Formats: sequence, C-alpha cells, structure tokens
Amino acid sequence: ILNVEQSPQSLHVQEGDSTNFTCSFPSSNFYALHWYRWETAKSPEALFVMTLNGDEKKKGRISATLNTKEGYSYLYIKGSQPEDSATYLCAFKNLEGGATNKLIFGTGTLLAVQP
Amino acid sequence: EAQVTQNPRYLITVTGKKLTVTCSQNMNHEYMSWYRQDPGLGLRQIYYSMNVEVTDKGDVPEGYKVSRKEKRNFPLILESPSPNQTSLYFCASKRAFGEKLFFGSGTQLSVL
Repeated sequence: ILNVEQSPQSLHVQEGDSTNFTCSFPSSNFYALHWYRWETAKSPEALFVMTLNGDEKKKGRISATLNTKEGYSYLYIKGSQPEDSATYLCAFKNLEGGATNKLIFGTGTLLAVQP
Repeated sequence: EAQVTQNPRYLITVTGKKLTVTCSQNMNHEYMSWYRQDPGLGLRQIYYSMNVEVTDKGDVPEGYKVSRKEKRNFPLILESPSPNQTSLYFCASKRAFGEKLFFGSGTQLSVL
C-alpha cells in the first residue's frame, strides 16, 4: 500500500516566522510530487509539481525541494503572513500512476499564522 | 475565468434518496476525477475519467456512479446514499498530459 505522510499535522507560528513542513513518500518508481495549498472554504490550488530529483521550485516566499532517492520533499515559507494560513497538501504519483494519473494524497499540514 | 464548478456547495439528505452532484469545467480538460475528504485521511479518489465515455474506478468507488457523456461535465451519482457517504467531495480536472489538478470548490454532503 502506497503511503504519503506529512508532518507536522499542524503548526502555529507568529507573523514573520519562517517555517517548513515535510512530505514523505515511497522512493521507488517515482514519477511526480505535487504541493497544493488549501484555504478554508476554498478549492485546493496547485503550488508546485516536481518531477526531478534535486528539483527546487519557488513562488514568492514559498519554495519546495525534492529528494526522490530518499523519498521526501520540504515546503518552506519565509516570513509567514496571516494570509499563508491554510492546509498544505502533498500528493505523490509513481510510474504506474503516471499512466492512470493517480495521485496519492497526504493528510496535510495545517498552518496557522498569528498576526 | 478558467474554473471547475461544483454544485451544490452544501447538501443534507436522507438515507436512500438518490442525489447527483454536478461538476463542470470550462478548460477543455480531458481528465476529470472525484475525491472525498474525510477527517484524518488524505483525499481519496472515487472515480476518474480520462476522456469522454471513458471512466474507471478509483480507490473508494462503492456506492457511487459517474458518467462522462460530454467533455465538460462529470456528475457524481449516489443512487442510495448512506450515512458513511457523509463527506466533503471535490471534483478536479486537468489536461491529458498536464500534471497540475484544478479543483472545484467542494460539496459538503450530510446523509442522515
């Protein structure tokens, strides 16, 4: 059974703090790793899709890294703002999922940024 | 505006009363999928469709039906809803060879 684990489950930080969370996934037969941002009462929105070992992606104050050999990805937020408060989901696809487009989602990290 | 539209946003129903949750996308995406979100679990795939008239089961298809008669629409049908189908449902779509999923705004379903 393929499993994607995210840690921590939840995180409370002060405005201006930098933070990071982890996504762990099976390291064999890797195809792609997705990060989504899900604000309460809204749709999840794609942040990054990463496919190569060593990939680093950046979008404003948010960045992500990928290590496919050891099966983990980090999401970093620099200088957190209250509007960053959301659940951050990661999702993994292996080579079999590449044909079926199947993504395995983690349970998410809930970030709350206090002003 | 490019979007995935789900309706309704909220639905309370009773056991056994057939219902349909609609999903429509205006991006000409080939791939569409339904997920359910339950506390403590990641999004789980119910059904997906690679293109018109092509549908397949996901991880938790029991108690659900789908159809894909047109490219833009992918309704989720619960023929005889049960309380264990109380959940938050998301529809999503993407291009055939794209990676990024576009999600609808979700449907919170309660089955009493």
